[in-house]
Amino acid sequence: ELKVEQNPLFLSMQEGKNYTIYCNYSTTSDRLYWYRQDPGKSLESLFVLLSNGAVKQEGRLMASLDTKARLSTLHITAAVHDLSATYFCAVEFSGYALNFGKGTSLLVTP
Amino acid sequence: ETGVTQTPRHLVMGMTNKKSLKCEQHLGHNAMYWYKQSAKKPLELMFVYNFKEQTENNSVPSRFSPECPNSSHLFLHLHTLQPEDSALYLCASSHDYRGNGYGYTFGSGTRLTVV
Repeated sequence: ELKVEQNPLFLSMQEGKNYTIYCNYSTTSDRLYWYRQDPGKSLESLFVLLSNGAVKQEGRLMASLDTKARLSTLHITAAVHDLSATYFCAVEFSGYALNFGKGTSLLVTP
Repeated sequence: ETGVTQTPRHLVMGMTNKKSLKCEQHLGHNAMYWYKQSAKKPLELMFVYNFKEQTENNSVPSRFSPECPNSSHLFLHLHTLQPEDSALYLCASSHDYRGNGYGYTFGSGTRLTVV
């Protein structure tokens, strides 16, 4: 069965703190995507990870992929309020459309 | 604008109505998708079209009827919906069905309310 699991599903963190969101998946894949969704809005592409060991960084967010562990992480550094949103990981399993995790709702508080 | 345009942005319809959602992309993509996003649920894939041919139908009730007249346009025809069908309906497109490392581009969605 194709599964994508994110944790935590809800995350409240203070501004300035660091935290990591985890994305595990059930079957071999070397293509993983991270999206951001603001309330009532569509999904915005953040990162595309296409190989084992891939690491991408944009501002305070850094994503990595370990295909052997079937794990991706989204690390938040020195969080700011503007990062409050829901973050989804999505895995491309061979022959199937993108399979999404349930999303992590992030709230950054002062 | 993401390159994928959905209309209308909001739709309120009665259970006996018939309406259609429209999705348009001019990104040169060949695959298009309908997703349903309900409150507190993960994104649910509904339909996949690749080069205008339907390749996936994830056990979607027949009150939802997709149409893909060409690679740039995708419709979702709605009839006799139920209140539990109220959700955000997202359209997406990609270079081809397997994405090939480009991921999907999503539209802004249609917020559907069934009364």
